[in-house]
Amino acid sequence: NAGVMQNPRHLVRRRGQEARLRCSPMKGHSHVYWYRQLPEEGLKFMVYLQKENIIDESGMPKERFSAEFPKEGPSILRIQQVVRGDSAAYFCASSPSKWREYTGELFFGEGSRLTVL
Amino acid sequence: EDKVVQSPLSLVVHEGDTVTLNCSYEVTNFRSLLWYKQEKKAPTFLFMLTSSGIEKKSGRLSSILDKKELFSILNITATQTGDSAIYLCAVEGLTGTASKLTFGTGTRLQVTL
Repeated sequence: NAGVMQNPRHLVRRRGQEARLRCSPMKGHSHVYWYRQLPEEGLKFMVYLQKENIIDESGMPKERFSAEFPKEGPSILRIQQVVRGDSAAYFCASSPSKWREYTGELFFGEGSRLTVL
Repeated sequence: EDKVVQSPLSLVVHEGDTVTLNCSYEVTNFRSLLWYKQEKKAPTFLFMLTSSGIEKKSGRLSSILDKKELFSILNITATQTGDSAIYLCAVEGLTGTASKLTFGTGTRLQVTL
């Protein structure tokens, strides 16, 4: 029973390139959350998605960032025209459809570390 | 905007000491407060608190929530070097029909021999 799988684990991009980060939730989980962790900071919420729907994107920068969770396949966080300030660890978490009714545990992936040169 | 403030930012203690980590919050439509432990990789879940005054306990770790004063504490007794980690506090707020976790910056705990 695999956990939340994120790839790539490490990604290096030059300024102006695109970064695509993928997240496969745990089996049976239909809710995905993306968080960004800058050095020396906590996890900052970016976006919450269900299959084919963006539920809450209040933490997403207005430009260059987008996220999707298609009916088939992983959730993708896409960053266009990356800048140095995008360098961070990006964590994905998943939950069953009604996670609050269970333990409240949010299952995190190992994170994708993006470095922008 | 929901806000979570943790203190201290970092802490160094000797093995065997007891530590108390603090978390205060402001959130719209509070639903729960959660504690996570983050070592080198993904955060791992410790506790979920929804009611004031009820202590949750797991081994040497315990936590309690005060919904009136809007804070929680995480206690670790008889600390061990394996407790060295960043401890993250998060609050769940309800926005419309969606829940969202807002994290604090964490407390970095280092336990030395």
